Amino acid sequence: NAGVTQTPKFQVLKTGQSMTLQCAQDMNHEYMSWYRQDPGMGLRLIHYSVGAGITDQGEVPNGYNVSRSTTEDFPLRLLSAAPSQTSVYFCASSPYDRGSSGELFFGEGSRLTVL
Amino acid sequence: KNQVEQSPQSLIILEGKNCTLQCNYTVSPFSNLRWYKQDTGRGPVSLTIMTFSENTKSNGRYTATLDADTKQSSLHITASQLSDSASYICVVRGGGGSYIPTFGRGTSLIVHP
Repeated sequence: NAGVTQTPKFQVLKTGQSMTLQCAQDMNHEYMSWYRQDPGMGLRLIHYSVGAGITDQGEVPNGYNVSRSTTEDFPLRLLSAAPSQTSVYFCASSPYDRGSSGELFFGEGSRLTVL
Repeated sequence: KNQVEQSPQSLIILEGKNCTLQCNYTVSPFSNLRWYKQDTGRGPVSLTIMTFSENTKSNGRYTATLDADTKQSSLHITASQLSDSASYICVVRGGGGSYIPTFGRGTSLIVHP
């Protein structure tokens, strides 16, 4: 069972470079989301999507872009990386319907360092 | 503003001992509360879910409680094992059409042999 797959697992960038973190899920979940996790701060929501073609901002969206062209994929783009974006990034998905309890299924994380 | 507060922030116990983690929330209306376990270097995984009508639920050595009146939950770990060393995250989902869950910052548990 693949579940939620994130790539890459590790990445080092220089300030100003751009990159895309990939997230794919094979559970046909409508809801997908990106979080960043920093020491002492817990998981903070960056962007989320409730279906293909629909995205919205979370708590800390600045410096990040997302798109949702298919149900399966939800990439996170850093347009011009900054040292403040050094963090561990998690993608999560869940069903999105009234009968769902909303259990989030997380990927294994992507550790990003911006020099 | 919806908030979830967890305590303690960190905890160190000896193997075989019991411990209790706390979660207080202000999310309203309330739909459910989940406890997730996050092992070092891994993504969080759901341990248990508590709904409004549930007071206690067990999952092996983990027992969760919920007091919806005081908006408090606890996670009790019995006879701790080294593999219990992890971060435990309390996540509350609101009702009334609000789908975005509110996360606590987690409790870091270290179990020493």
